[in-house]
Parts: sequence; C-alpha cells; structure tokens
Amino acid sequence: EAGVTQSPTHLIKTRGQQVTLRCSPISGHTSVYWYQQALGLGLQFLLWYDEGEERNRGNFPPRFSGRQFPNYSSELNVNALELEDSALYLCASSLYPGQGLNTEAFFGQGTRLTVV
Amino acid sequence: GDSVTQMEGPVTLSEEAFLTINCTYTATGYPSLFWYVQYPGEGLQLLLKATKADDKGSNKGFEATYRKETTSFHLEKGSVQVSDSAVYFCALTTSSGGSYIPTFGRGTSLIVHP
Repeated sequence: EAGVTQSPTHLIKTRGQQVTLRCSPISGHTSVYWYQQALGLGLQFLLWYDEGEERNRGNFPPRFSGRQFPNYSSELNVNALELEDSALYLCASSLYPGQGLNTEAFFGQGTRLTVV
Repeated sequence: GDSVTQMEGPVTLSEEAFLTINCTYTATGYPSLFWYVQYPGEGLQLLLKATKADDKGSNKGFEATYRKETTSFHLEKGSVQVSDSAVYFCALTTSSGGSYIPTFGRGTSLIVHP
C-alpha cells in the first residue's frame, strides 16, 4: 500500500513568488494535515483538512492557504514568499480523528522549500 | 492549549548505552500519546503509541509508558545502536474542543557513536 506522497521533493523560489505543494494521502484516509518544520523550531501546525473542508488552521498569516480535493489529495499554497518561509513542509494523513484517538498520523517525506 | 515539552538535545551516547528522552505534556481531556522518529532527509515515522493511562507502547526495543499522574511519556531503550541516530518527537492528540490536531514537541536529536 502506498504511503503519503508529496511533491516536489525540493524547490527553490525567489522572495515574492508563489508556490504550490502537493500531497496524496494514504488510501482511505480523509484527513490531511500540513506542518512547517523550520530549522530548530520543531513542527508547527499549519492546516487541517477533512472531507474537503478546512477544519482548523495554525497561527500563520493568510498567505498560507490550501485546499483538499474530492479524492482527498491536498495542496498547500504560499503567496508572497519570504526568506523565513524556507523550511521542510510535511504532510500527514489519518482517518478522521473523531473515530477514535487511535488514529495516528502518517507522514510523507516532505517538500524542502528554499526561498532566496 | 495542548503542549508537549521534550528535553533539549542533542543527546550523545556510545553504542549499547541506555537511552532516556523525557517528554511531558499538558492537555485537556484524555490524550493519546505518540513517539515519532525522523531519520535524516526523511519524514516522520510512528515509533510507538499509548492511548490510555498506564499503557506501555513498544517497538524496535524502544518503550514508553503513559503516566497520567506525572503527565509524562518518557522514551527509553536499553541498548542503543548507531542506526538509532535520528530526531525523536513526542506528540499527542486530544479531542479538546474537537480540534484533534496532533501536537508535537520540538524534537530531540540523538547521536550514537560506535
């Protein structure tokens, strides 16, 4: 069974540009989470989608946005890139957690974004 | 809000040494607790989990016991190997307010020398 897949694996963008990152969850998982892992800062929660809707977002500016498609895949969009957006962006999927807290999150390999 | 606190690293050990990585948490309700591991250049992998008080999660020689009285979930291994070198993250999920957001600690880097 395929795990969570993310694309691209690496990306270099210029400050002010826009970027789109993609995530395909494990088959059967309806929830997708996005995290930012900047150097030395651990995992910062960005967004949670389930059944096509945004369920929660972290403390990030509105230029971070995303969506979830009917097949449960997801995109993360970042507009007006800033140097401090350079980070590893991780996507995770799970069954809807309301089904029980034993529904752990499975992570993709991440997209390494470098803003120059 | 919910939070997870891990001991700061890096933790540097010699092969076959005993490992403890401390993790404490703050959460409303009754969280499930997890340890994830991140090898260089990779995403996070679930290492072990515990869903209720006094449960012990174990995998690949690693263990952690859910201690509700001390709100802790310390990771232990009796004899580490060089291949255990990685970053370890303690995490929780809780249904507090219906948020269900997995909350992570900052991670603890483990370096094992031959």
